Amino acid sequence: AQTVTQSQPEMSVQEAETVTLSCTYDTSESDYYLFWYKQPPSRQMILVIRQEAYKQQNATENRFSVNFQKAAKSFSLKISDSQLGDAAMYFCAYTGGFGNEKLTFGTGTRLTIIP
Amino acid sequence: GAVVSQHPSRVICKSGTSVKIECRSLDFQATTMFWYRQFPKQSLMLMATSNEGSKATYEQGVEKDKFLINHASLTLSTLTVTSAHPEDSSFYICSTGQGQNTEAFFGQGTRLTVV
Repeated sequence: AQTVTQSQPEMSVQEAETVTLSCTYDTSESDYYLFWYKQPPSRQMILVIRQEAYKQQNATENRFSVNFQKAAKSFSLKISDSQLGDAAMYFCAYTGGFGNEKLTFGTGTRLTIIP
Repeated sequence: GAVVSQHPSRVICKSGTSVKIECRSLDFQATTMFWYRQFPKQSLMLMATSNEGSKATYEQGVEKDKFLINHASLTLSTLTVTSAHPEDSSFYICSTGQGQNTEAFFGQGTRLTVV
């Protein structure tokens, strides 16, 4: 079974600084997707960024980027120029290749932004 | 983007009663819907997979007779918590599946409190 591990229950960062959230996963599949989701206090799940395993290039979305290390099964999220609105729970998630649609979530990292 | 509407957002019920939570896909047809449960400060745990026109698939440890899932149409999936007890108090979230070229869409969640 696939597992997703987030070893940082809580992180904090000064506003405008950069922070990296860690995620590792375990799978025997070669084709899969990885995601970072943000859950603000409203508890609405928001997709931050997604990475296809077959792509070597790391995904980037504005201030958010990932460091995808397939061999190490590592998928970290870097948030640059942190903003107060970035404060939330962040979940790393995994789904298998085509036809396997369910998401397996990590335990989450609570990110606090210090003004 | 596609929207999943989940209702109610909050519900308080008496112990022993049943509560129905609805998830509607507003502008697309969802053949699959996933139901998650989230305890305070914890991750999303998959409860069951709902497929339109067929029986739901439940994760290990989830009582199918207690958590009734119906997916009678391509736009509506419901979760009914039967004979609710205080330990069923939790946050319940539905989502569509993660497709090859589309992201998963989440409902706003339902906070259930059983008193």
